[in-house]
Amino acid sequence: TQLLEQSPQFLSIQEGENLTVYCNSSSVFSSLQWYRQEPGEGPVLLVTVVTGGEVKKLKRLTFQFGDARKDSSLHITAAQTGDTGLYLCAGGNNDMRFGAGTRLTVKP
Amino acid sequence: NAGVTQTPKFQVLKTGQSMTLQCAQDMNHEYMSWYRQDPGMGLRLIHYSVGAGITDQGEVPNGYNVSRSTTEDFPLRLLSAAPSQTSVYFCASSPDTHKLHFGNGTRLTVT
Repeated sequence: TQLLEQSPQFLSIQEGENLTVYCNSSSVFSSLQWYRQEPGEGPVLLVTVVTGGEVKKLKRLTFQFGDARKDSSLHITAAQTGDTGLYLCAGGNNDMRFGAGTRLTVKP
Repeated sequence: NAGVTQTPKFQVLKTGQSMTLQCAQDMNHEYMSWYRQDPGMGLRLIHYSVGAGITDQGEVPNGYNVSRSTTEDFPLRLLSAAPSQTSVYFCASSPDTHKLHFGNGTRLTVT
């Protein structure tokens, strides 16, 4: 079983601050995905990283895939209240597995 | 463009009852899957299907059955509901097994 561990579990910050959340595994993944989930809704795909060392940017969000393809990070610059949500990483082949998520709260 | 549609949105069952959670997608995706989400445990894979007529077990398949007779539909059956199956259930579809499109979930309570 390929386990994905996410840290921190909870994060509460002020609007305008920067933050980084992590997704780690002992297994190698062909790709990792990051999703954001808001209350009462299903997760929504943010990005897929495929190549070791890859960096992808989505506005204020920067995603990095580790060189060994075992870990990934999500960095948010100048967080906004609209970034509040549950951030999930996922990986696998046909059996996509998810980490437990980081619940981010951005306070005004 | 409806995407992935799950019904019902809420359901309360008594222990031992059976029911079917419906999932339909209109994107012609071959891959579909079912997850349950419990506090602090993220999403756990129940069953998945890579195409019509093909299903396979995920992490937590016990107590659940699935079938995939069409590309569009992937129902999840609870055979004999137990309180441990109280959860939020999400169905997802994907064109390539990785880029999952989720429904908005079914919140199930078993008393």
